[in-house]
This record gives sequence, C-alpha cells and structure tokens, in this order.
Amino acid sequence: QITLKESGPTLVKPTQTLTLTCTFSGFSLSTSGVGLAWIRQPPGKALEWLAIVYWDDDKRYRSSLQSRLSITKDTSRHQVVLTLTNMDPMDTATYFCARQLWSGSYPDFFDYWGQGTLVTVSS
Amino acid sequence: QSALTQPASVSGSPGQSITISCDGASSDVGAFFSVSWYQQHPGEAPKLVIYDVSHRPSGISSRFSGSKSAKTASLTISGLQAEDDADYYCASYTLNNTPLFGGGTKLTVL
Repeated sequence: QITLKESGPTLVKPTQTLTLTCTFSGFSLSTSGVGLAWIRQPPGKALEWLAIVYWDDDKRYRSSLQSRLSITKDTSRHQVVLTLTNMDPMDTATYFCARQLWSGSYPDFFDYWGQGTLVTVSS
Repeated sequence: QSALTQPASVSGSPGQSITISCDGASSDVGAFFSVSWYQQHPGEAPKLVIYDVSHRPSGISSRFSGSKSAKTASLTISGLQAEDDADYYCASYTLNNTPLFGGGTKLTVL
C-alpha cells in the first residue's frame, strides 16, 4: 500500500523559511523511474507544481521560484524535504506531495498524492 | 511558465457526456504523450483519472476517456453521475523538463 503524508508548520510569518516533510511508504525513491514532487494550491485556485526530485537525485524547480526553493531526499528514511525561503502571504496554500512515475523516456503522471497540508503566511 | 488553458467551467445533466479541453503549445501538449488528468473533490487531494493521453488507471471507470489532437488534449466523461461533480486538471510534461498543470475546470452535474 502506497501512502504519502505531508508535515510541517501550519502558520509561518512573512520572510520566514518554510520547511515541509513528505514521509512516504510502499515504494522506494531509489527505484529507477520514480520521483517525488511538491505541488501547491492557493485557496480557490489551481494546482501549481513547485519542485521534484528523482531517484537519481536529479532535481527540477519551478523557474519563477527557483531562487527560493530547495528539495532534498532521504531515501533510507523515506522522506523528501522542501524548503521555501522568504515566505510571503501569496505563498498561502495547501501543499501536496505526490509520486511521479516515468513512462518511457519522460517523467509522466502523478499517481499517488498526500492529503495536503494548509500553510498560512501571516504576521 | 503559463498554465495550460482549460475552460473555467462546464456542466451537464446526469447521463449526458461532457468534454473538457486542455490547450497547450508545441513545447508541452503538442510535443509529448505525457498528458494526464486529475479529478479533485473539495477538500481532497487530486486523483489521477487519465495518463498518457488516454490510459485509465486501475479502478477508474470506463466512462472516463482521453484524447489528443495537435496541441489540445481532451477529457470526456460519458454517462455523467453526481459523483463526477468536481474540479478537473490536465497536466503535461514540457520541453523545459518540468511538468505543467492546467488552470482547472469546474464540472457541475446539474
């Protein structure tokens, strides 16, 4: 059974750094073709992909947030950590982690998602 | 990076069929078959309903189908049911080696 769960603060102040952890089970992030992504959704708005780390430790970031984002994996602990610096009220959103699988030669779909965690940025 | 373009809303009566479009570019939808669709009910996580343009994951009803023509992908839901009332998002891999989501479509089952 594959599960993912996000954890971290529910409230952060502007300019602070957000650190979120995705703890997963039922698969390994050292398996070829597997990635783990962070995706967020501001209240009432669309999904927005943020970052992903792949089995080979390759990492990709949303270009508009690249200077503020960092993603790391701890394969043995089955965890992926996302940090987002210099938080702003516009970063208020539900943050999801999701497993991505490669299909053929390209990263493909997100087949398992965590329940999401709402992070509010306010002083 | 702009989102893929979806209609803000669509609606249909139970039993009818609806189609949601997802307009992209030659750098994303037009370039890959890595197009997927997600269903999201309020307060819940998204759920994969279509991958690789037209494939259904195990457990997804055959009422859900997908297709693609040039830079536009489409999700069709036939025999609409009340439980299909949800938000739907498309996604595609891009030449930037990153994924891109659509702006989302709210489906209302009348």
